[in-house]
Amino acid sequence: DAGVTQSPTHLIKTRGQQVTLRCSPKSGHDTVSWYQQALGQGPQFIFQYYEEEERQRGNFPDRFSGHQFPNYSSELNVNALLLGDSALYLCASTSSGGSNQPQHFGDGTRLSIL
Amino acid sequence: QQQVKQSPQSLIVQKGGISIINCAYENTAFDYFPWYQQFPGKGPALLIAIRPDVSEKKEGRFTISFNKSAKQFSLHIMDSQPGDSATYFCAASKDTDKLIFGTGTRLQVFP
Repeated sequence: DAGVTQSPTHLIKTRGQQVTLRCSPKSGHDTVSWYQQALGQGPQFIFQYYEEEERQRGNFPDRFSGHQFPNYSSELNVNALLLGDSALYLCASTSSGGSNQPQHFGDGTRLSIL
Repeated sequence: QQQVKQSPQSLIVQKGGISIINCAYENTAFDYFPWYQQFPGKGPALLIAIRPDVSEKKEGRFTISFNKSAKQFSLHIMDSQPGDSATYFCAASKDTDKLIFGTGTRLQVFP
């Protein structure tokens, strides 16, 4: 049973470029959340997708956008990259069935902006 | 009101000792309190979680103690092992809402 998988594992971009990160949720999960983890910090919530719609959003600018596909996989897009966007981007999946379902995280994509 | 405060920032424990990490929250609407363990280069892995209708939950060497009136919860790692050396994050959420994470505690267990 595969867990949450993310690609790519590492990415180097320059300021102003655009990037797309991908996530496949754990089998049986239908809800995907994205988090940004700066070095030495806890993960910060970006947004959550359910039924191909953005259900919740954290305090991130519109440069951050996402998408969820019918197979529940998801993409995170970041436009006009800034140096401050350098971080580990984590995808977490959960099931919408029942309350307080645990969120399971992938190993993330390490994004470096030069 | 959305913050979760975590302490200490770092912790050094001898093998076999007890590691204790504390967290405090403000939002009384939170009803789910997980702890995650993160190794370098890896994503956070769920260790143990508790709901506010329970004051303590134990799974193996890991115990969560929960004090609803004080709005505090803590993780106890009994018989700490070198393999427990990692960064630990507490978190809180309301149902399936976003997880609000603490700032993390770097635990080092020495033989």
